[in-house]
Amino acid sequence: KQEVTQIPAALSVPEGENLVLNCSFTDSAIYNLQWFRQDPGKGLTSLLLIQSSQREQTSGRLNASLDKSSGRSTLYIAASQPGDSATYLCAVGLFGNEKLTFGTGTRLTIIP
Amino acid sequence: DVKVTQSSRYLVKRTGEKVFLECVQDMDHENMFWYRQDPGLGLRLIYFSYDVKMKEKGDIPEGYSVSREKKERFSLILESASTNQTSMYLCATSVITDTQYFGPGTRLTVL
Repeated sequence: KQEVTQIPAALSVPEGENLVLNCSFTDSAIYNLQWFRQDPGKGLTSLLLIQSSQREQTSGRLNASLDKSSGRSTLYIAASQPGDSATYLCAVGLFGNEKLTFGTGTRLTIIP
Repeated sequence: DVKVTQSSRYLVKRTGEKVFLECVQDMDHENMFWYRQDPGLGLRLIYFSYDVKMKEKGDIPEGYSVSREKKERFSLILESASTNQTSMYLCATSVITDTQYFGPGTRLTVL
């Protein structure tokens, strides 16, 4: 059974710093990996989707990488801003996009 | 933009009541999902549907049922609500090869 782990559970960094969030998964036979953002009490917003054949995806200040062989993904956020404060979740798809297995998330706080 | 709406943001019910949570999407997506989210446990899939009248159990289907009579609407039913079903419920939709789009969530409290 696929397990997805995100460490640390919470992270605080000063505004303007670059930071990396980590995600690890136990079964490397994945179809894709996705990063989501969740604001308190709200639903999830998709940030980046990496297909299994890709190594990375970029959107603005965000860059996500994927290393299937080691079962790891990272989300890099450049020049962090207070508006980046949220919980970030990674999710792994095994068969198409029908089912995703989610990590428990990293709660990020950017200190002004 | 994809729009996924859920019938209520907050809901308070009593133990033993039958509860309906409804999700509506406006993008003609084939797939629809119901998750629950609990602190420390993350999102867990309850049921999903890949077509009208088609459904599959997720990881935690016990105590829940679903209905999909129209493509745009996916309902989650708690036949007899219990206190351990107090949670945040999230609906999502997708097409094959694309990401999942989430609704705003329903925070259900069962007293």
